[in-house]
Amino acid sequence: EVQLVESGGGLVQPGRSLKLSCAASGFTFSNYYMAWVRQAPKKGLEWVATISTSGSRTYYPDSVKGRFTISRDNAKSSLYLQMNSLKSEDTATYYCARHEQLYLDYWGQGVMVTVSS
Amino acid sequence: DIVLTQSPTTLSVTPGETVSLSCRASHSIGTNLHWYQQKTNESPRLLIKYASQSISGIPSRFSASGSGTDFTLNINNVEFDDVSSYFCQQTQSWPRNTFGAGTKLELK
Repeated sequence: EVQLVESGGGLVQPGRSLKLSCAASGFTFSNYYMAWVRQAPKKGLEWVATISTSGSRTYYPDSVKGRFTISRDNAKSSLYLQMNSLKSEDTATYYCARHEQLYLDYWGQGVMVTVSS
Repeated sequence: DIVLTQSPTTLSVTPGETVSLSCRASHSIGTNLHWYQQKTNESPRLLIKYASQSISGIPSRFSASGSGTDFTLNINNVEFDDVSSYFCQQTQSWPRNTFGAGTKLELK
């Protein structure tokens, strides 16, 4: 059974940093592109980052480019999202998701990040 | 960026009805359109891939169609368990994927 379990969320002040983790199991992690998607309270879904199987290629939307870094450790079947210079508009539930071809076929349960002073 | 416009924003239906949810793209995206269901306080679940392709484990009352800029998700014989928000996602401009704002399905 495919499982994605996020951790590392919480309350953080504007301008500070936070690192999210996603532990994957039930599939060969190194064979899949992975992504982070977020959802602000009562809002829609927003793609945040994507990483290739080896980690050599990463992709971001303009809203987080230069502040967020996606990475992975295939030996540990783990995905990460380093978030720096956090803003109030980064407040959201962050989901880890697996890429199957172009779509996202499995999602984690999500982790809440609140940016507030 | 490719913008996806979903309508209606909210849909209130009676159990047993058949409903259609719309997703329109600002540019032609072929069939690079996927549908997700999200129940309250849960993570999204893939319903349909590539505009009309079914997903294993998803009830057959969910179907979809479309190509280019106009897409539709159909739910036959709506059940209480279908109360959710439904999102479309385009991957034509992958990795710069975008999602629609969603349609919230409620039961009368």
